[in-house]
Amino acid sequence: QVQLKESGPGLVQPSQTLSLTCTVSGFSLTSYHVSWVRQPPGKGLEWMGVIWTGGSTAYNSLLKSRLSISRDISKSQVFLKMNSLQTEDTATYYCARSPGNYWGQGVMVTVSS
Amino acid sequence: DVVLTQTPPTLSATIGQSVSISCRSSQSLLHSNGNTYLNWLLQRPGQPPQLLIYLVSRLESGVPNRFSGSGSGTDFTLKISGVEAEDLGVYYCVQSTHAPYTFGAGTKLELK
Repeated sequence: QVQLKESGPGLVQPSQTLSLTCTVSGFSLTSYHVSWVRQPPGKGLEWMGVIWTGGSTAYNSLLKSRLSISRDISKSQVFLKMNSLQTEDTATYYCARSPGNYWGQGVMVTVSS
Repeated sequence: DVVLTQTPPTLSATIGQSVSISCRSSQSLLHSNGNTYLNWLLQRPGQPPQLLIYLVSRLESGVPNRFSGSGSGTDFTLKISGVEAEDLGVYYCVQSTHAPYTFGAGTKLELK
């Protein structure tokens, strides 16, 4: 069955880089796009970026200078890296398979010293 | 970037009542391939979002048929025909016609 699972540190210091991994199963990254979405506590969903089946990417305009999404097809993993973290980046981070019918459970990331 | 404007921000309903949520886009969501990539999601408290409707009006597998989607171009609507208690949560529209993709701000459905 289709599954996605996010992993990464729960706490990141300000100005540091966040690295998250989305490990997928039940489908191929060459057949479905995978997006990253985040949600600050008590707020709405924010689309961060996508890696398409061909490996190209697109990013949220406000985040693109800090954000990078990549993948390892052989390991069925999608990676998110975002630098220069600030407290406003505290959020639950989700990965989701297009068209949005499968989501991971999310990983809560707190940016604090 | 495409801006999706959802209204109302909050909706109070009784069980059995029919309700509608509007999602208006700042530009047409009709893709050059003829599809319109406008989806509706429901997020219950403490849960990841769940896909309800994709391509404007197609019901995701397993979703009750009291949910329906309609619209075209820049104007879209989600209708719930007979709210049930399990429908409470926050509804989002999301477009993936134009990169970067974007979400609406959400509509919170509460019990009156």
